[in-house]
Amino acid sequence: DGGITQSPKYLFRKEGQNVTLSCEQNLNHDAMYWYRQDPGQGLRLIYYSQIVNDFQKGDIAEGYSVSREKKESFPLTVTSAQKNPTAFYLCASSSGRGGLGELFFGEGSRLTVL
Amino acid sequence: QQQVKQSPQSLIVQKGGISIINCAYENTAFDYFPWYQQFPGKGPALLIAIRPDVSEKKEGRFTISFNKSAKQFSLHIMDSQPGDSATYFCAASKGAGTALIFGKGTTLSVSS
Repeated sequence: DGGITQSPKYLFRKEGQNVTLSCEQNLNHDAMYWYRQDPGQGLRLIYYSQIVNDFQKGDIAEGYSVSREKKESFPLTVTSAQKNPTAFYLCASSSGRGGLGELFFGEGSRLTVL
Repeated sequence: QQQVKQSPQSLIVQKGGISIINCAYENTAFDYFPWYQQFPGKGPALLIAIRPDVSEKKEGRFTISFNKSAKQFSLHIMDSQPGDSATYFCAASKGAGTALIFGKGTTLSVSS
């Protein structure tokens, strides 16, 4: 079945540690996105990539980094510079320019920093 | 600056009633307005979407009403059911392939 796989589903880390969240898609989509979800805040865009080897900052990119070396993969690293990293992280993909615009989401990764 | 404003934050509706969620936007360059539905512990899924060349779109019990001059759009859920209890997000974007800007969400509870 085609879809988006995020791992791990739950992650606990100590303060000051970098963590990397995995996102893989087999939908052959060009564009991929990372959103952060906090209670009452909706979904806020961290980074997005419309093509391999290229990505743009979203509204809350500080303290995060990404890479897009393969079309299928868009990992997100939460660095120690992110002041409040505890959140629910959602990865999404879309067919990109020329598509219908629908975003397909993974099931999310919940990060808790102790 | 919040580009998409959603209200209410929470909503309780009786089974069989009509649920109405509203969104307003500022950027006239937006040309794609979807609604997403999210159940606890899951990622959001597209429910229904509209483009500004039409004023209304209906899919089953779900209807989007769009008012371009007022820069507002709303989701109506007719004959609301307990299974509709979820968080609903409106969103907007400037075109296919561009990132969606989301509202803050509305938690809907349908009581039986």
